[in-house]
Amino acid sequence: EVQLVESGGGLVQPGGSLRLSCAASGFTLSDHYMDWVRQVPGKGLEWVGRTTNRATSFATVYAASVKGRFTISRDVSENSLYLQMNSLKTEDTAIYYCARGFHSFDIWGQGTVVTVSS
Amino acid sequence: DIQMTQSPSSLSASVGDSVTITCRASQDVTKYLAWFQQKPGKAPKSLIYDASRLQSGVPSKFSGSGSGTDFVLTISSLQPEDFATYYCQQYKSYPYTFGQGTKLEIK
Repeated sequence: EVQLVESGGGLVQPGGSLRLSCAASGFTLSDHYMDWVRQVPGKGLEWVGRTTNRATSFATVYAASVKGRFTISRDVSENSLYLQMNSLKTEDTAIYYCARGFHSFDIWGQGTVVTVSS
Repeated sequence: DIQMTQSPSSLSASVGDSVTITCRASQDVTKYLAWFQQKPGKAPKSLIYDASRLQSGVPSKFSGSGSGTDFVLTISSLQPEDFATYYCQQYKSYPYTFGQGTKLEIK
């Protein structure tokens, strides 16, 4: 079964860091573009960033709101995707989803909650 | 950035009805428009990509049309499981952007 499972969310203070993980099963992560999307509970969806596939050298692109603070990476051997979040702000509080970037976003994980609060 | 505007923001309908949701892009996105369904407490689910192509496993009661800046999602023969929030999204250019959502409620 093709599946994505996120983990790593939690409560962090403003200015702190957190690393989210997204474990893929049923397909090879490195063959696909992968994205992070976030959603403030009860609000709309916001695209966070993308990493391309092996064929295009795993390039990354980010939303302006997180550029310079967030970094997307992969572990090919673990078939996993990561989102390193630094210098966190209260406005980064959201549910974070990883999604496979095929035909837009065809597969989504269940999400992991990040709360930035003192 | 490309702004995506959905209308209406909310919609009431009865089981068995057909409904349409529109999505307008502030710039030409050609065919690079997707639709998602989201139920409370769940991740979004992909319904349509490339404006009119059904994702694998999505029933044909969902259909999409349009190109350029104006798009439509049509849902026919509404069933209780179809009442949810629907989002459009453009993937023509970065940053990818979503509409604000349309909440479909049971009348």
